[in-house]
Amino acid sequence: DQQVKQNSPSLSVQEGRISILNCDYTNSMFDYFLWYKKYPAEGPTFLISISSIKDKNEDGRFTVFLNKSAKHLSLHIVPSQPGDSAVYFCAARTLGDYKLSFGAGTTVTVRA
Amino acid sequence: SAVISQKPSRDICQRGTSLTIQCQVDSQVTMMFWYRQQPGQSLTLIATANQGSEATYESGFVIDKFPISRPNLTFSTLTVSNMSPEDSSIYLCSVAGDRAQPQHFGDGTRLSIL
Repeated sequence: DQQVKQNSPSLSVQEGRISILNCDYTNSMFDYFLWYKKYPAEGPTFLISISSIKDKNEDGRFTVFLNKSAKHLSLHIVPSQPGDSAVYFCAARTLGDYKLSFGAGTTVTVRA
Repeated sequence: SAVISQKPSRDICQRGTSLTIQCQVDSQVTMMFWYRQQPGQSLTLIATANQGSEATYESGFVIDKFPISRPNLTFSTLTVSNMSPEDSSIYLCSVAGDRAQPQHFGDGTRLSIL
């Protein structure tokens, strides 16, 4: 059973505009959420994370928002750049556990 | 973050054979994990590699098919045994220093079985 869901398999955005990636989860025990970025032929690279005690975390052009009541998080990339074209994975884990549950990924294409 | 090296980066194997994938980290890490990413799908945890003891496997994965070793805090191997075309996937090693830190991944091993 997929506990982390990314319902949009792809996203196309113009350079300079905002990219918004969405992620939903079903396990209310998840307390830590992460976003990874993956280029072809490379492993996933950690991008940004958020603890369940927060509702927002920002790092440069990347901001993650968490809505616990809706079991939803989103990643905002502003402004989008061509180098942001990649697959983005949402992941989550429960308190006291190292194991990550991943979403299916969203392929972002930034158009010039 | 730690530098993680996986070998081989890719391989094409015959049905029924076995392949061992190596994961080397440039510093000691507490936790090492093995994931699989089947074509068009997400990452699925195979097992947690425990230093000095048997790996902890996730549901659907068994030691006979995916034996794992972890002789020290910087090295682990995953063997894919008696391979079939369904084992064609990317196999990824990840590490974590402590629970407060995110997992970091190697570049993966792209495996194709004919």
